[in-house]
Amino acid sequence: KNEVEQSPQNLTAQEGEFITINCSYSVGISALHWLQQHPGGGIVSLFMLSSGKKKHGRLIATINIQEKHSSLHITASHPRDSAVYICAVPSSGSARQLTFGSGTQLTVLP
Amino acid sequence: DAGITQSPRHKVTETGTPVTLRCHQTENHRYMYWYRQDPGHGLRLIHYSYGVKDTDKGEVSDGYSVSRSKTEDFLLTLESATSSQTSVYFCAIRRSTSGGPTYNEQFFGPGTRLTVL
Repeated sequence: KNEVEQSPQNLTAQEGEFITINCSYSVGISALHWLQQHPGGGIVSLFMLSSGKKKHGRLIATINIQEKHSSLHITASHPRDSAVYICAVPSSGSARQLTFGSGTQLTVLP
Repeated sequence: DAGITQSPRHKVTETGTPVTLRCHQTENHRYMYWYRQDPGHGLRLIHYSYGVKDTDKGEVSDGYSVSRSKTEDFLLTLESATSSQTSVYFCAIRRSTSGGPTYNEQFFGPGTRLTVL
């Protein structure tokens, strides 16, 4: 079973700061998910990536398959970015069920 | 929006009662999943389905059963609810993304908050 570790568990930042959330996994994978969950809310898929870098607006995700590591960056953070960010990796079997990290609680203060 | 709905969205029930949660999708995806989310444990897979009448167990399947008689509906049943099954339940579907590398990406329903007293 893949072990997925995220850091930090909690992160408080001031509005405008650059944010980095890290995710490491133990078994090689084909791709990795980054998900976002607002308080009391549903889970939204932000990125799925297998190599290099992806960017959506102020969010940037990078992955290094050889080192089994991914990072999620938020540039010019805003209070509306406050949420839990979760990385997840699919299993190698046909079911592709996800193993999730424990999540990073991000709070951005105005 | 992947066209996933869950019902009910909130439910309070008593220990020992049966409970069925429904996940409905509108896009005809083959794979569907049920996860539960708990503080300190994160999201964990309960059961999944890979087609009509085809299901398999996940990491935390004890006390749960599932059924899929139609492609669009995946039901999760707690035969006799216990307080340890108080949780938020998420359904997900898997679909291939396009516009670049093809991924089998999962998309989640809005969740059902279940409280067992």
